[in-house]
Amino acid sequence: QVQLVQSGAEVKKPGASVKVSCKASGYTFTNYGITWVRQAPGQGLEWMGWSSAYNGDANYEKMFQGRVTVTTDTSTSTAYMELRSLTSSDTAVYYCARGSWAAPGNLEDYWGQGTLVTVSS
Amino acid sequence: DVVMTQSPLSLPVTLGQPASISCRSTQGLVHRDGNTYLSWFHQRPGQSPRRLIYKVSNRDSGVPDRFSGSGSGTGFTLKISRVEAEDVGVYYCMQGTHLLTFGGGTKVEIK
Repeated sequence: QVQLVQSGAEVKKPGASVKVSCKASGYTFTNYGITWVRQAPGQGLEWMGWSSAYNGDANYEKMFQGRVTVTTDTSTSTAYMELRSLTSSDTAVYYCARGSWAAPGNLEDYWGQGTLVTVSS
Repeated sequence: DVVMTQSPLSLPVTLGQPASISCRSTQGLVHRDGNTYLSWFHQRPGQSPRRLIYKVSNRDSGVPDRFSGSGSGTGFTLKISRVEAEDVGVYYCMQGTHLLTFGGGTKVEIK
């Protein structure tokens, strides 16, 4: 069965970076893409970016461009999301989800369990 | 950028009664491939979102048929024919035609 298993919770200081992983199993990794979505405490869902495991293409939400990098490692079927220059407003649960290999939009119904990133001095 | 606006923000419902959530986009959502990438997600507290509906009106596997999606252009609706206790939570619409954008969410609770 399709599974996306994310790395564990992180606590970071302001100005630091965080890298969250999302290990995929149960399907051919290179046939799909991975989308990253975050959710601040008590808030809604916010799209961050997408990476194609097929060809390495990536797209980002404008507000994160320059500060986030999403990648896929086909040798380990793992996707990564790195967010830099963290502030307290980046405290959130970060989700990965499976999508199309071609574009961000066709988000499917396979999600990771979420990774809580807390930014605190 | 496409903005997705949901209404209402909060929806108190009576068990067994119908419920309806509206979602409007600032741009039309027909993709150049002819599909309309409008989905609906449901999220319970502490859980990952679950997709209910994709491409406007297609129910995901295992989704009860009391859920239905409709709409076109810039206006879309999620309907629950008879609300059950397990339907509480927050519902989000999402467009995937112009990159990806979520609506702000509608919280459904039992009266």
